[in-house]
Amino acid sequence: DSGVTQTPKHLITATGQRVTLRCSPRSGDLSVYWYQQSLDQGLQFLIQYYNGEERAKGNILERFSAQQFPDLHSELNLSSLELGDSALYFCASSNWEGRETQYFGPGTRLLVL
Amino acid sequence: GEDVEQSLFLSVREGDSSVINCTYTDSSSTYLYWYKQEPGAGLQLLTYIFSNMDMKQDQRLTVLLNKKDKHLSLRIADTQTGDSAIYFCAEATDKLIFGTGTRLQVFP
Repeated sequence: DSGVTQTPKHLITATGQRVTLRCSPRSGDLSVYWYQQSLDQGLQFLIQYYNGEERAKGNILERFSAQQFPDLHSELNLSSLELGDSALYFCASSNWEGRETQYFGPGTRLLVL
Repeated sequence: GEDVEQSLFLSVREGDSSVINCTYTDSSSTYLYWYKQEPGAGLQLLTYIFSNMDMKQDQRLTVLLNKKDKHLSLRIADTQTGDSAIYFCAEATDKLIFGTGTRLQVFP
């Protein structure tokens, strides 16, 4: 158990809908990272927040957004969902904002029908 | 470019050693990581190596780093069926760049 929690575990929705994925980092960790894992794209970094502020951006679509709240939990919002958004979405956390070790949550499996 | 490459599959007999290879691109990477992903699960950090090291040993795991060739390897000694999983290497630049993953299958 990494100490990172994600909810929900599974999510099934329809195209055009909007969903919110939630992540709670390990106790004491200030950084939260979001990743998407799909069969064709592999594991892709989406976005990082550090202590409530956006720190780095990866291959995140404009239809997707994230935020980190004062209690350090984070939410990833996916809107206007398409079939191709079906994937595993992982959250990871680390102590600081840089290149230190990241600990991953169990993921949310999203299926868009 | 930001490409971290791994071979896709590796099949070994139980009790043998497994060697999973990875090549990375950014010579400024400070840390290199190995993660393990079991079916239906998240990524579990196995080990990491700092870029000024050549080798790191942790029980059955040995990580070798060749900075000149930007080559990283993970050796698993006495491979067990429970080691069957996908193994990802990752380089840390301003973010983590993951390889494509190597699926290790251990057969009896």
